[in-house]
Amino acid sequence: EAQVTQNPRYLITVTGKKLTVTCSQNMNHEYMSWYRQDPGLGLRQIYYSMNVEVTDKGDVPEGYKVSRKEKRNFPLILESPSPNQTSLYFCASRGRSETQYFGPGTRLLVL
Amino acid sequence: GNSVTQMEGPVTLSEEAFLTINCTYTATGYPSLFWYVQYPGEGLQLLLKATKADDKGSNKGFEATYRKETTSFHLEKGSVQVSDSAVYFCALFPYGNNRLAFGKGNQVVVIP
Repeated sequence: EAQVTQNPRYLITVTGKKLTVTCSQNMNHEYMSWYRQDPGLGLRQIYYSMNVEVTDKGDVPEGYKVSRKEKRNFPLILESPSPNQTSLYFCASRGRSETQYFGPGTRLLVL
Repeated sequence: GNSVTQMEGPVTLSEEAFLTINCTYTATGYPSLFWYVQYPGEGLQLLLKATKADDKGSNKGFEATYRKETTSFHLEKGSVQVSDSAVYFCALFPYGNNRLAFGKGNQVVVIP
């Protein structure tokens, strides 16, 4: 089944403790993105990647890092999480068509 | 630059009512337009799309027509069901460097 998977689905952590949210897609898509969703603000893009080793900042990149060492994986790294990064995070991928496929989301709470 | 605007606020309506969610866009060139739906506890999934002016996208009883003259892509459904309760996002491609631009989304609640 074609899908985007994210792990973990739920995460509670404390300020300053590094964490990684994994994202993987099995559709051989070149393009992958990370978004955060917050009430009243909709979806905002954090980072995106156009292919292996090619990444760029989205609209809200501060406090996040990404890497794209393999085509299928696009992990999101929070080196020193803060409470304002409490949010619902989505990974997405897209091939040559314009249709984007989303993962199920990761709900993060930073205390 | 390219952008998408959705009407403010949640939408609450009764089962079998008519649903309209407004979406307008600003773009140079000829973008493609999309509606994505997010059911409770899930990620977004494509509902329908239109790639050129006057195209009508349709799926699951929902429709939207790409209107270049009014720069709009309003979503409509003639008779909603409780299972249509979700958040609906209008989107445009391309935005910036081959990206998707999303509206803020509208929460739709259908009451039995």
